[in-house]
Amino acid sequence: QKEVEQDPGPLSVPEGAIVSLNCTYSNSAFQYFMWYRQYSRKGPELLMYTYSSGNKEDGRFTAQVDKSSKYISLFIRDSQPSDSATYLCAMTGGTSYGKLTFGQGTILTVHP
Amino acid sequence: DVKVTQSSRYLVKRTGEKVFLECVQDMDHENMFWYRQDPGLGLRLIYFSYDVKMKEKGDIPEGYSVSREKKERFSLILESASTNQTSMYLCASSRVDATNEKLFFGSGTQLSVL
Repeated sequence: QKEVEQDPGPLSVPEGAIVSLNCTYSNSAFQYFMWYRQYSRKGPELLMYTYSSGNKEDGRFTAQVDKSSKYISLFIRDSQPSDSATYLCAMTGGTSYGKLTFGQGTILTVHP
Repeated sequence: DVKVTQSSRYLVKRTGEKVFLECVQDMDHENMFWYRQDPGLGLRLIYFSYDVKMKEKGDIPEGYSVSREKKERFSLILESASTNQTSMYLCASSRVDATNEKLFFGSGTQLSVL
């Protein structure tokens, strides 16, 4: 069983839709949670960063962490074709400080 | 604009060759990492370094070694390339402070071993 599970999709939605991306994890020591976005033929770039439980909002993006359920989510409102990318969840904590564990990545396509 | 630069975007090598992948960062970051990315498997950590001349094994170090002679440069070495090392290789760096979980990635090197 992987330490971090992420549905690889692919996910295809129409422009303007609300997108929900999710990850579950098993290591209760994780306390830093991130979402990276990776465009085709590029390296991942940090999109959202959250410490411990709660919500964080940045424009059209909202990250949620539920440590009691070991479940994190990324919501994209009013999705745009430019949001088409692979989204990777990542997390760390405890003795693995600074060393991230990634999910498999979800491929998202937003069509006009 | 901060940058992590990987020397090659595409590389084709033969089985048994010694392969060097180079990575340079201009952010004065202490931490540097090498990941490989494969479809369905996500990113897996090969090696990382918290300081010059220091290295630690990640989750899949077999068949790889690394070198960090200068703070800004971190090299990944495939001692004898094999076909199962065909993959996208990503270098990353981060600072040693409260935000050292925030990795900055290069654009990757797509390595094909024939």
